[in-house]
Amino acid sequence: GDSVTQMEGPVTLSEEAFLTINCTYTATGYPSLFWYVQYPGEGLQLLLKATKADDKGSNKGFEATYRKETTSFHLEKGSVQVSDSAVYFCALSDLRVEGSQGNLIFGKGTKLSVKP
Amino acid sequence: NAGVTQTPKFQVLKTGQSMTLQCAQDMNHEYMSWYRQDPGMGLRLIHYSVGAGITDQGEVPNGYNVSRSTTEDFPLRLLSAAPSQTSVYFCASSRDRLSGNTIYFGEGSWLTVV
Repeated sequence: GDSVTQMEGPVTLSEEAFLTINCTYTATGYPSLFWYVQYPGEGLQLLLKATKADDKGSNKGFEATYRKETTSFHLEKGSVQVSDSAVYFCALSDLRVEGSQGNLIFGKGTKLSVKP
Repeated sequence: NAGVTQTPKFQVLKTGQSMTLQCAQDMNHEYMSWYRQDPGMGLRLIHYSVGAGITDQGEVPNGYNVSRSTTEDFPLRLLSAAPSQTSVYFCASSRDRLSGNTIYFGEGSWLTVV
């Protein structure tokens, strides 16, 4: 079945460092891909998304490009801030396969801690 | 905008007790779902609904019941709580089933079963 694999954390970076969180997926159809962020004690918020190959999602300085050839959707940010400390989840939703119900399949999450 | 509202935010139950987690959305979304979040497991789908009167099972449905009598509400019922159901529960909704539509999450309900 469909699945999402993301790099295990925790990831600890200094402020202004470059961030990459790897995410790869397995899907039989044509998934949409998402990054969600969960700040401490809060629910999940959509960070960015891409719905087709070569699309780039971006928000708040974060970017991810839908790479069909490598089945990847890596999250990047050029300069992280302390306020970016959170858990990041990669997810896919594949409704273009018959029988799919549009549910999200999540990776296990990567905890990011940014130190001043 | 209220978005997706979950209650209660925190609950402690004794083994064998029953309870209902409430979820309501004010965006006229057709699609609603319940996930549980456990350490090292990410989020896993419990039940979902594609519209009023229609529900279906997700990945981990055992021990939970749902109903969808209105578009707005999608309660999750634990009939006889077990310690294995200690988790954080998230309700989510989206406009419809189309891939790519943003799914909105509630703030979560922290449940402890002792």
